[in-house]
Amino acid sequence: NAGVTQTPKFQVLKTGQSMTLQCAQDMNHEYMSWYRQDPGMGLRLIHYSVGAGITDQGEVPNGYNVSRSTTEDFPLRLLSAAPSQTSVYFCASSYSTGGRELFFGEGSRLTVL
Amino acid sequence: AQSVAQPEDQVNVAEGNPLTVKCTYSVSGNPYLFWYVQYPNRGLQFLLKYITGDNLVKGSYGFEAEFNKSQTSFHLKKPSALVSDSALYFCAVRDIWDAGNMLTFGGGTRLMVKP
Repeated sequence: NAGVTQTPKFQVLKTGQSMTLQCAQDMNHEYMSWYRQDPGMGLRLIHYSVGAGITDQGEVPNGYNVSRSTTEDFPLRLLSAAPSQTSVYFCASSYSTGGRELFFGEGSRLTVL
Repeated sequence: AQSVAQPEDQVNVAEGNPLTVKCTYSVSGNPYLFWYVQYPNRGLQFLLKYITGDNLVKGSYGFEAEFNKSQTSFHLKKPSALVSDSALYFCAVRDIWDAGNMLTFGGGTRLMVKP
């Protein structure tokens, strides 16, 4: 199993550009989520999904969009990039909710100029 | 609202000595508690969790953590530190009654183990 795969690993954008961060998992996990990691702030939840066709907002959803058309894929879209979105983004998945631990991807480092 | 505090940005310990990384939490109901480790330029890896039952939880790489409900703490411990334990450690909490299933992370503690 590849686990959780994120692409791209690195990306530089100009302010106002749009892009999609891809996330795929091959573990048949119901739950998928996107976090951003900023120095000293830990990880903050952007959006999450408890199954195909179901998404919801996390702690910091503004400026981001998600969809879940399949169990495997959970892309994160930046609609109009801003310098404040410079961060490291992590996709994570688990079998279900509650006491299940998350499996993380390797991260995508985004710089917005 | 739920929250996690990791009061130390960095913990320094000599190899072979015991280590403790502190974590306190706040939830409305009962918690699910987790510890993750992050090595440079990598994703987070699961270490251990408390769901219910025994307050002392054992996890990967010789780490353990003790759940203390009265002090709302879940400190990470290891009897004898290794240089290879040097990494960034995150504590996380989820309220078992949270329908939104949000997992809240602390700010992280950098562990430095010196030879």
